[in-house]
Amino acid sequence: DGGITQSPKYLFRKEGQNVTLSCEQNLNHDAMYWYRQDPGQGLRLIYYSQIVNDFQKGDIAEGYSVSREKKESFPLTVTSAQKNPTAFYLCASTPGTGGSQPQHFGDGTRLSIL
Amino acid sequence: QQPVQSPQAVILREGEDAVINCSSSKALYSVHWYRQKHGEAPVFLMILLKGGEQKGHEKISASFNEKKQQSSLYLTASQLSYSGTYFCGTEGGTDSWGKLQFGAGTQVVVTP
Repeated sequence: DGGITQSPKYLFRKEGQNVTLSCEQNLNHDAMYWYRQDPGQGLRLIYYSQIVNDFQKGDIAEGYSVSREKKESFPLTVTSAQKNPTAFYLCASTPGTGGSQPQHFGDGTRLSIL
Repeated sequence: QQPVQSPQAVILREGEDAVINCSSSKALYSVHWYRQKHGEAPVFLMILLKGGEQKGHEKISASFNEKKQQSSLYLTASQLSYSGTYFCGTEGGTDSWGKLQFGAGTQVVVTP
């Protein structure tokens, strides 16, 4: 079955450390997204990519970086510049890049500070 | 800008109905609805396009009032499986296709 795989499920970061969250999809979707979810809040867009080797900042991109070298992969790096990284991170994809596309989500990665 | 959802939470008995509202201060192209169970990924329910189209998913339906920039989600004859947090995601014009702004969510608890 096709879907989005996020790994790891749980991740711990030490102070001053960069960590990378993996997101892989086998849906052959063009667009991919990264969201951050804090307790009791909605999802906020970090970065998105509509095509390989191209990506745009979302609403809260500071302290994060991404790459899109392959259509199926969109890893997110949480850098040491992100001072409050503890959150639930969700990766999503859509079939195309036009409007009104339903977003398919992975199961998420929960990141905590040690 | 984030849409505003109301109420923040609702408790229902099985079989009861509920309405969740989602309002935006900006003109909208579409409204998405998702449901998230605790600790899980959000699951897509439906999309409504401007034009007041009403859609349904099982006994869950929704409407979109383009003039008011407001969407409502109707939970009819609620089932235990309807428990979860419901989020609306709003999409602006063509310059923001795919960039959803999500509300803070409405927690729904359905009890036996």
